[in-house]
Amino acid sequence: QVQLQQSGPGLVKPSETLSLTCTVSGGSIRINHWSWIRQPPGQGLEWIGYSGDTNYNPSLKSRVTISVDMSKNQFSLKLSSVTAADTAVYYCARGGESHPTWGQGTLVTVSS
Amino acid sequence: DIVMTQSPESLSVSLGERATINCKSSQSILSSSNKKTCLAWYQHKPGQPPKLLIYWASTRESGVPDRFSGSGSETDFTLTISSLQAEDVAVYYCHQYYSIPRTFGQGTKVEIK
Repeated sequence: QVQLQQSGPGLVKPSETLSLTCTVSGGSIRINHWSWIRQPPGQGLEWIGYSGDTNYNPSLKSRVTISVDMSKNQFSLKLSSVTAADTAVYYCARGGESHPTWGQGTLVTVSS
Repeated sequence: DIVMTQSPESLSVSLGERATINCKSSQSILSSSNKKTCLAWYQHKPGQPPKLLIYWASTRESGVPDRFSGSGSETDFTLTISSLQAEDVAVYYCHQYYSIPRTFGQGTKVEIK
């Protein structure tokens, strides 16, 4: 079945760009939408956006890019101009509606 | 944005007893295109990613035990655990995928009494 493996740095400096990658195995990246969701410490889940139609959360839209590399079976998240408020566990997930498959999660801390 | 409001915030239930979690959306999340309700339920345990339990409000994901069931329509929804097991201790979230931005409820923490 489809599995997702996340990679990327766990520490990002303020004002820099957070970059995470999710590698898809066990299935083709061509036949789904692919999403990013985050959870700040002690808080609930926040939807960031999904690929395909570049649907992003309006609260983050000016800073977010989600892209798909079909040749590598990967999709990625870039979040620019980060602040401490962007500190969270970031998850990649399959689907643009419900999410049957998730990556393991990456704690990204924004700190100098 | 559609606001998803869950109740209660936390729930303490004896082993083998029923647990009921409610979720209310600020507007209808019934899709006009497929006549299905765009609501999912997730179970989230510490250190793990969320796990999809229910989608389209009442369809159980493959492999999910049948003690988990979802019901409701339009704006009011319920997740029921018919006989609570120790492994069901977790935070549960409802999630609407009717419109952008997708939104989640604030979560309900389920514990053993």
